[in-house]
Amino acid sequence: DAGVIQSPRHEVTEMGQEVTLRCKPISGHNSLFWYRQTMMRGLELLIYFNNNVPIDDSGMPEDRFSAKMPNASFSTLKIQPSEPRDSAVYFCASSPPPSDTQYFGPGTRLTVL
Amino acid sequence: GQSLEQPSEVTAVEGAIVQINCTYQTSGFYGLSWYQQHDGGAPTFLSYNGLDGLEETGRFSSFLSRSDSYGYLLLQELQMKDSASYFCAVRGSGGSYIPTFGRGTSLIVHP
Repeated sequence: DAGVIQSPRHEVTEMGQEVTLRCKPISGHNSLFWYRQTMMRGLELLIYFNNNVPIDDSGMPEDRFSAKMPNASFSTLKIQPSEPRDSAVYFCASSPPPSDTQYFGPGTRLTVL
Repeated sequence: GQSLEQPSEVTAVEGAIVQINCTYQTSGFYGLSWYQQHDGGAPTFLSYNGLDGLEETGRFSSFLSRSDSYGYLLLQELQMKDSASYFCAVRGSGGSYIPTFGRGTSLIVHP
């Protein structure tokens, strides 16, 4: 099993540009989570999907952030337009039913200049 | 809402035993989990408690008291490689089962 796959691993962009982060969950897992981690705010849940349906997006900071899960094997997190304060490590995690265990991807380190 | 409190840093020497505490407030309760994260890495699952008591997995054990809204992670026979951040996390039993992570405890193991 390849684990949760995220791409890109590193992204450097300029303020105002669109950023798309990608995630492939572990096959058979029906829950998918997007997190953001910074020194200041710790590990924050942005959005949570269950069976491809967004269950809670109350952690999405503002309208510049959007997430989709078109099928069970792919999800995207988009930031448009990006701002320097969006610089962080973004993790995707998946979880199998009915377990509470989350399996994290390696993360995408985003730097917005 | 949900909130968790854990110490920001703990230091210990190799071979010792260390306990990392976690207290939580949540509307409803589904379970308490522990994750380990090394610098530059991703969180990895260590242990889960859904019921009161002790769960043991090798050198690591986790304890839960639901009546006290309290849990801890116990690390025995500490090794240098155990230096990492440790996070407790809860999921509420009401609504959408949103998981919430604590701010993490940085464990520094000295030789």
